[in-house]
Amino acid sequence: DVKVTQSSRYLVKRTGEKVFLECVQDMDHENMFWYRQDPGLGLRLIYFSYDVKMKEKGDIPEGYSVSREKKERFSLILESASTNQTSMYLCAIQTSALLDEQFFGPGTRLTVL
Amino acid sequence: GQQVMQIPQYQHVQEGEDFTTYCNSSTTLSNIQWYKQRPGGHPVFLIQLVKSGEVKKQKRLTFQFGEAKKNSSLHITATQTTDVGTYFCAGFNAGGTSYGKLTFGQGTILTVHP
Repeated sequence: DVKVTQSSRYLVKRTGEKVFLECVQDMDHENMFWYRQDPGLGLRLIYFSYDVKMKEKGDIPEGYSVSREKKERFSLILESASTNQTSMYLCAIQTSALLDEQFFGPGTRLTVL
Repeated sequence: GQQVMQIPQYQHVQEGEDFTTYCNSSTTLSNIQWYKQRPGGHPVFLIQLVKSGEVKKQKRLTFQFGEAKKNSSLHITATQTTDVGTYFCAGFNAGGTSYGKLTFGQGTILTVHP
């Protein structure tokens, strides 16, 4: 079974704090993704990576950055958290095959006060 | 950019009734995937459709991909309480510049009353 773990299930931070969300996979998958999920808006892609040190912007990258130094780990960084970044953050992985499904982690519910 | 619209946003049914959710893309898709998210859980892959006009079945679930590869539907026959959750479609356009990027619909939240 594919296993995707995220560093925290729940996180509470204050406005202006730097926030790190980590995603770790136990398979050798190339593609990793960060989404945020908000009611009525579905899943929106923030960033994704298709190899170590490679990254590409998704649909809503503003206010976020990412880091992928090792293949199994993909980090999402909020440089200066704001209240409008309160959301559920989901990490997903995918094999390198173009048409493969994505496997999601359990999610991190981030609240920014 | 590519947009995928999904309706309805909510659907409440009595157990035993049928349910359908619809997806429409602003662009032609290479494939479409469907995911289910149980309350408090994360999205889980259900199926992928690739061919124009394709129809696939999984027990009580029927998935269709339109002839023009711009729309899709998920139909559940005789819903059960285990069907509750949010159903998402996600489209992939190989003509775009981003590799492996899915665009998700807004999701349909299904509630089943026993």
